[in-house]
Amino acid sequence: QVQLVQSGAEVKKPGASVKVSCKASGYTFTSYYLHWVRQAPGQGPEWMGIINPSDGITIYAQNFQGRVTMTRDTSTSTVYMELSSLRSEDTAVYYCARGGGSGLFDYWGQGTLVTVSS
Amino acid sequence: QSVLTQPPSASGTPGQRVTISCSGSSSNIGSNTVNWYQHLPGTAPKLLIYRNNQRPSGVPDRFSGSKSGTSASLAISGLQSEDEADYYCAAWDESLNGPVFGGGTKLTVL
Repeated sequence: QVQLVQSGAEVKKPGASVKVSCKASGYTFTSYYLHWVRQAPGQGPEWMGIINPSDGITIYAQNFQGRVTMTRDTSTSTVYMELSSLRSEDTAVYYCARGGGSGLFDYWGQGTLVTVSS
Repeated sequence: QSVLTQPPSASGTPGQRVTISCSGSSSNIGSNTVNWYQHLPGTAPKLLIYRNNQRPSGVPDRFSGSKSGTSASLAISGLQSEDEADYYCAAWDESLNGPVFGGGTKLTVL
């Protein structure tokens, strides 16, 4: 069965960077795009960007351009999302989600809580 | 502030039918299909309805979706206690060139 398993919770100081991983299994890794979506406390989800695991090409949401980097490792079927220059407003649960280019997400990871606090 | 607008809460008693609305604009719902997600806190969100009214395998037919113009709705009939969750609508936005979400509706089964 399709599974997306994310890395554990992180606590970071303002200005630091965080890197979250998402390991895929149960399907052909290079056949589906993977997205990153975050949800801050009390808010709706927010799309961050997409990576094509086949060629590594990425598209980032405008709100995150310059601060986010998405990469993949095909040898381990894992994608990574690194967010830099963290601020308190980046405190959120970060999800990876499998989907096409239209943004229809058929499987999600369990989420990774990132807390930014001094 | 989410791009799509949902009521923050909804409620019903077991067996009842409830509907959750989702309002957008011509750049998202008006020109693209709508997807709905069910989310129990602490778990992975689950795709509930896709392309306005399609159910993935395994989703009961108690759940249905519809779209008209720049609005969409999720209906849950024969409400059950396990339906208590947060529900989110989503659609691609042509102006933002990415998917946008509603703020979510917390469904309580009384």
